[in-house]
Amino acid sequence: EAGVAQSPRYKIIEKRQSVAFWCNPISGHATLYWYQQILGQGPKLLIQFQNNGVVDDSQLPKDRFSAERLKGVDSTLKIQPAKLEDSAVYLCASSSRQGVTEAFFGQGTRLTVV
Amino acid sequence: SQQGEEDPQALSIQEGENATMNCSYKTSINNLQWYRQNSGRGLVHLILIRSNEREKHSGRLRVTLDTSKKSSSLLITASRAADTASYFCATDTGRRALTFGSGTRLQVQP
Repeated sequence: EAGVAQSPRYKIIEKRQSVAFWCNPISGHATLYWYQQILGQGPKLLIQFQNNGVVDDSQLPKDRFSAERLKGVDSTLKIQPAKLEDSAVYLCASSSRQGVTEAFFGQGTRLTVV
Repeated sequence: SQQGEEDPQALSIQEGENATMNCSYKTSINNLQWYRQNSGRGLVHLILIRSNEREKHSGRLRVTLDTSKKSSSLLITASRAADTASYFCATDTGRRALTFGSGTRLQVQP
């Protein structure tokens, strides 16, 4: 089975610019997550979708971050405008249902804001 | 906020030795999971232990869970150079997405 696909793998932008990341989860997985992983730290949840509805976005900086999951499949995460502290790896993950099952991660997008 | 905290932060051992890393968490959980992350890659699920289980094995991995102490340990036996990676515990409370700890960086010297 194909894994979680993310693009791009790497992105370098200047502060105050905008950037978007794309994620295609495993086919049939209803739950999709975006995590932010700063160097040397564990992943931190930004937003969780169940199908195309938001379950948890309590840690998403909504003044600059937005995310959507159209038709309950692909998802995009956008940052506008970017700050230096947004430099991190953005990981997308999916699971077949909320709760017990394991999460499957993509390889991530490494964002550098200069 | 980080639910789990791994200990030690970094561990360096020789090939063939066992590696033990620990995880402590704060709230009640449904299950606890361990993930591995190779440098520059995504996380890979290793093993899941439910709150009513005390020990679980998978190949060279052994996980224990003590819910009274809110702690878990991951033991990798007969380590190999390919085990070099960061290891994270993640807690599932059933109320929100997995919450990850800060990780243990394992270096296995050939």
